[in-house]
Amino acid sequence: NAGVMQNPRHLVRRRGQEARLRCSPMKGHSHVYWYRQLPEEGLKFMVYLQKENIIDESGMPKERFSAEFPKEGPSILRIQQVVRGDSAAYFCASSDRDADTGELFFGEGSRLTVL
Amino acid sequence: KNQVEQSPQSLIILEGKNCTLQCNYTVSPFSNLRWYKQDTGRGPVSLTIMTFSENTKSNGRYTATLDADTKQSSLHITASQLSDSASYICVVILYSGGGADGLTFGKGTHLIIQP
Repeated sequence: NAGVMQNPRHLVRRRGQEARLRCSPMKGHSHVYWYRQLPEEGLKFMVYLQKENIIDESGMPKERFSAEFPKEGPSILRIQQVVRGDSAAYFCASSDRDADTGELFFGEGSRLTVL
Repeated sequence: KNQVEQSPQSLIILEGKNCTLQCNYTVSPFSNLRWYKQDTGRGPVSLTIMTFSENTKSNGRYTATLDADTKQSSLHITASQLSDSASYICVVILYSGGGADGLTFGKGTHLIIQP
């Protein structure tokens, strides 16, 4: 049983381009969380989704960032018109229930570099 | 404001020695506390999950303790190995769900094991 799969592992974009990060949760998991991590910093919550629904997006910037978790297919974190400050590692985690009771399993992350 | 503070920020010890990492939190109401290990360039992996009623939990050479009265936790590593070199992250979960406030991450302790 594969764990949480994220791709791409590394992504380089120029300022103004779009970045799409994908996350396939573990089989049977319907809860997906996206986190962002800067060097030497802790993980910062961005968005919490369940199948086809955004439950909490309060950690995600209102401009340029969006997330979805369609009925079929992976969850997508989309960053439009990237800027250098978007350079970070983006981690996805999945759970079979709310994170206060369910165990979170993390992917290996997608590292975005904006030139 | 819910906060998780970890100490020390970084630690270097010799292979075979023991060490203890600290985590203090202000999260309330408290549901559970988790320790994760994050290898460089990888996603966090769960080591222990402790609920309010648990004082100690072990996972191999890792032993976590929890004092819910003083809001402190520690992670003790016995007979350290080179593979223990990683960041250790303390995560405290609010008793309400997995959204923005649901999980509060510490910045981690960066542990280096020297041969």
